[in-house]
Amino acid sequence: GQQVMQIPQYQHVQEGEDFTTYCNSSTTLSNIQWYKQRPGGHPVFLIQLVKSGEVKKQKRLTFQFGEAKKNSSLHITATQTTDVGTYFCAGPGANSKLTFGKGITLSVRP
Amino acid sequence: GAVVSQHPSRVICKSGTSVKIECRSLDFQATTMFWYRQFPKKSLMLMATSNEGSKATYEQGVEKDKFLINHASLTLSTLTVTSAHPEDSSFYICSARARGGYEQYFGPGTRLTVT
Repeated sequence: GQQVMQIPQYQHVQEGEDFTTYCNSSTTLSNIQWYKQRPGGHPVFLIQLVKSGEVKKQKRLTFQFGEAKKNSSLHITATQTTDVGTYFCAGPGANSKLTFGKGITLSVRP
Repeated sequence: GAVVSQHPSRVICKSGTSVKIECRSLDFQATTMFWYRQFPKKSLMLMATSNEGSKATYEQGVEKDKFLINHASLTLSTLTVTSAHPEDSSFYICSARARGGYEQYFGPGTRLTVT
């Protein structure tokens, strides 16, 4: 079945540093979504990418969909303590389900 | 924005009892609702997908007789954990998706502890 992979699962950065994480799919995706889950909270939808090579920005966050639509990246410029949390990517599967990656948990040292 | 509520937020029950968790979409009609289970520091494990007015579709390995799902209206889905055991203790999260939409809106989750 479809697999969505996020490696590593944890990353620690110093506040102010940039951060990039990647998401890889075993199959070509029609779209990819990103969610953020703060500690103790629930996942919150961030963005959806649909087109090959698409780049979208949300303030300090930049999301990109690969040309082959099998991978995606999330880049955070000048991380802040508010960026702490787990970032999940998810790809659509059969019957409108989403397959979530394991997520990457970002911690930021002030 | 779209809001999804879950009730209760925390529940402790004794082994062998049943627990019902409600998931409500407060300001939109959710044609599809999803139930997930999340273990500490782990990803979301999809348990089942429910469409309003029809039977839920369960993922492989999820016992449908143990985890009863009802999606009776466009704003309410319930998950009942029957004959709960300590290994059922987990964080259960629902999400809802509107007709024609693609993003899932997650509820705040329910922490179930079975003693």
